[in-house]
Amino acid sequence: KAGVTQTPRYLIKTRGQQVTLSCSPISGHRSVSWYQQTPGQGLQFLFEYFSETQRNKGNFPGRFSGRQFSNSRSEMNVSTLELGDSALYLCASSLENNYGYTFGSGTRLTVV
Amino acid sequence: DQQVKQNSPSLSVQEGRISILNCDYTNSMFDYFLWYKKYPAEGPTFLISISSIKDKNEDGRFTVFLNKSAKHLSLHIVPSQPGDSAVYFCAATDSWGKLQFGAGTQVVVTP
Repeated sequence: KAGVTQTPRYLIKTRGQQVTLSCSPISGHRSVSWYQQTPGQGLQFLFEYFSETQRNKGNFPGRFSGRQFSNSRSEMNVSTLELGDSALYLCASSLENNYGYTFGSGTRLTVV
Repeated sequence: DQQVKQNSPSLSVQEGRISILNCDYTNSMFDYFLWYKKYPAEGPTFLISISSIKDKNEDGRFTVFLNKSAKHLSLHIVPSQPGDSAVYFCAATDSWGKLQFGAGTQVVVTP
């Protein structure tokens, strides 16, 4: 079966712009989580959606938001981009809980 | 607040020898622990996990040990192979909470 698909793979934006990243989970998976990976910081949890509802949220500013659609696909939006937002953004899906996460390949965002 | 810590950012090991990666956590509510492996430009892939009711789990060359009283877990890779060169992330969860990751350890296996 198809894995977790993230689009686009690479993105370059300028400061102040906004960006939307997309994640299509594995078919049947209802939980989608987003992580930010930066050098030395590991994977920082952004938020998790389950059945279109945000179930958990990390410690990121309100510029970071997300949503999940009825088909479980999820989008993440970052507004008023800052240079420090440059990172690899990873999406992971699972059936219900955190035990069976499968990650996508990520979207590499560069803010210039 | 980093609840999962991997204090060694890098590890170099000779091919055929044992690699030992360490991870410490602070949240006593964590009941499930996972290790992920990540190659550049790819997402992390699941390697091995352990429930808090166990103290050891083995899968081929990979063994994870859990010491609950010390809030410490380790991953042993025996024998290490060149293809094991990657970043390894330790993660912990209380199943319905968020999966929390350590900062990762870069493993380099030399010939």
